[in-house]
Amino acid sequence: EIVMTQSPATLSVSPGERATLSCRASQSVSSNLAWYQQKPGQAPRLLIYGASTRATGIPARFSGSGSGTEFTLTISSLQSEDFAVYYCQQYNNWPKLTFGGGTKVEIK
Amino acid sequence: EVQLVESGGGLVKPGGSLRLSCAASGFTFSSYSMNWVRQAPGKGLEWVSSISSSSSYIYYADSVKGRFTISRDNAKNSLYLQMNSLRAEDTAVYYCARDQSKPGAPFDYWGQGTLVTVSS
Repeated sequence: EIVMTQSPATLSVSPGERATLSCRASQSVSSNLAWYQQKPGQAPRLLIYGASTRATGIPARFSGSGSGTEFTLTISSLQSEDFAVYYCQQYNNWPKLTFGGGTKVEIK
Repeated sequence: EVQLVESGGGLVKPGGSLRLSCAASGFTFSSYSMNWVRQAPGKGLEWVSSISSSSSYIYYADSVKGRFTISRDNAKNSLYLQMNSLRAEDTAVYYCARDQSKPGAPFDYWGQGTLVTVSS
């Protein structure tokens, strides 16, 4: 099983600031990495796939980078609606899909 | 508009059974692989099971293999999860989710989830 490790567990950021979230895979997943956003009481929403491609309707302030085992999600200027939990997911080892433990982005 | 609506959750005793349903609309259901993903209270996401568009390929997480059965009815645009021999650790919100474009792709649409509580 490919283990996905996200850091930090919690990130405190002020509105308008930049947020950088990390995701590490226990072995290479190539670029088969997705990011999801989940707000309290809601289902996850796909933000990024292929490590760096924004899903339909996702604002340009969200960007993804990385390949192999190290990945980053960057939110360039945090808006109030961006405070949420973010999960990475590898789909390289399909069908054994695995998610990271999540990073909570909270208001500083 | 793509919609996925889960139902069938509830309170069940350990060892009991439950059948979840997911009603799909707004897209050609028979063209997409579908999945179940669960989230224990306050915890992260865990993939549970996947089924291909024609039910030719079915996969399970090791944690549920032998106890859960995924199925679909393309004529009814519905996805199912039969859960048997339920354990306390199966307590979670269960989401159905659509593969983005092909089997093994990320999940581009999710339902709102249905809560399963396993407790005596």
